[in-house]
Amino acid sequence: QVRLQESGPGLVKPSGTLSLTCDVSGGSISGLNWWSWVRQPPGKGLEWMGEVYHSGGTNYNPSLRSRLTISMDQSKNFFSLNLNSVTAADTAVYFCARSTHNSGWYIDLWGQGTLVSVSS
Amino acid sequence: IQLTQSPFSLSASVGDRVTMTCRASQGVGRSLAWYQQKPGKAPKLLISIASTLQSGVPSRFSGSGSGTDFTLTISSLQPEDFATYFCLQVDSYPYTFGQGTKLEIK
Repeated sequence: QVRLQESGPGLVKPSGTLSLTCDVSGGSISGLNWWSWVRQPPGKGLEWMGEVYHSGGTNYNPSLRSRLTISMDQSKNFFSLNLNSVTAADTAVYFCARSTHNSGWYIDLWGQGTLVSVSS
Repeated sequence: IQLTQSPFSLSASVGDRVTMTCRASQGVGRSLAWYQQKPGKAPKLLISIASTLQSGVPSRFSGSGSGTDFTLTISSLQPEDFATYFCLQVDSYPYTFGQGTKLEIK
């Protein structure tokens, strides 16, 4: 059974860089899946941030593209997120997720999420 | 692509049949999924490709629609169904979510 687990600092200073990793257990990150980051500000809706494929291919939300990098380490079976120049508006629960293709792509598996606050 | 869910919130009783909708600002084919989220928990996939029920999801959940208009129906509400439901379009980048429908106990 594949599981995703986010980890990283829970507090980041304004103008700093938010860095999170998602450990994938029970399956290989090198399979036919896209690996995504999704965030949810407190009390608000969900925002798809971007995704990475084992080939190194990425897709980003244009609203974040200038600040966001998503990458993966296939040897250690995890993928990561780096978001720079953060502000209070980046305070959110960050979820890592997996997309699977079965008659079409869809996000089928989520991590439990981790709250990151941006504050001095 | 903007997804608009309605209603924003819904009060219902155990045993009720409820329907909620997700409307896309442009056609997404059948590339729409429905999720259930409870407070402090990860979203759970209920329906993919507009109407495909995921393994392990009770048959009281069903999805329909294509193009711009989609519905999620729960045929007979159970206590564990009170949660927030949201839709996700995966037809084109960037993927986008609806703002959610909160299903509350009447």
